[in-house]
Amino acid sequence: RKEVEQDPGPFNVPEGATVAFNCTYSNSASQSFFWYRQDCRKEPKLLMSVYSSGNEDGRFTAQLNRASQYISLLIRDSKLSDSATYLCVVNPSFYNNNDMRFGAGTRLTVKP
Amino acid sequence: NAGVTQTPKFQVLKTGQSMTLQCAQDMNHEYMSWYRQDPGMGLRLIHYSVGAGITDQGEVPNGYNVSRSTTEDFPLRLLSAAPSQTSVYFCASSRDGPEQYFGPGTRLTVT
Repeated sequence: RKEVEQDPGPFNVPEGATVAFNCTYSNSASQSFFWYRQDCRKEPKLLMSVYSSGNEDGRFTAQLNRASQYISLLIRDSKLSDSATYLCVVNPSFYNNNDMRFGAGTRLTVKP
Repeated sequence: NAGVTQTPKFQVLKTGQSMTLQCAQDMNHEYMSWYRQDPGMGLRLIHYSVGAGITDQGEVPNGYNVSRSTTEDFPLRLLSAAPSQTSVYFCASSRDGPEQYFGPGTRLTVT
């Protein structure tokens, strides 16, 4: 079983739609959680951290459910520029900030 | 700030050849890492460093060496290239938290 699992998609949605991605992780001791965005043939970039209480950044909302070991990302009012691959990232180690485990990503295409 | 830079952008090697992928950052970050990204798989950690002179193995270190003689530079050496090392390689750096800044990547093909 992969440490971090994501639905690969692709998700094809019209502009203005709301879309949600889920991610599950296997290590219950995992400490910190993130969503990264990766455009085609580009490097990943941090989209947002995911906190236990949930957090929102504009049209993006991230939630963490430790009991069920999953993380979600909700995008409201999708824009064409949201088209990208979204990577779920988990840090399972309290002591090692480099020990990041990446999901394979969920591809989103927003169409006019 | 240039951020994290990587060279070359593209490289084709023959099986058995060796080469070094260069990575540099100008943000004075202590943590640096090398990842490879393959289709259908998440980024996988090859090696990392928590500061100059200190390196450690990640998830998939076999076939690769690293060194960290300065804070800025973290080269990745392929000892004897194999077709299984065909991949996109990303270097990343971070300050003291898990937010990582990635370089633009090196696309390597081994024939």
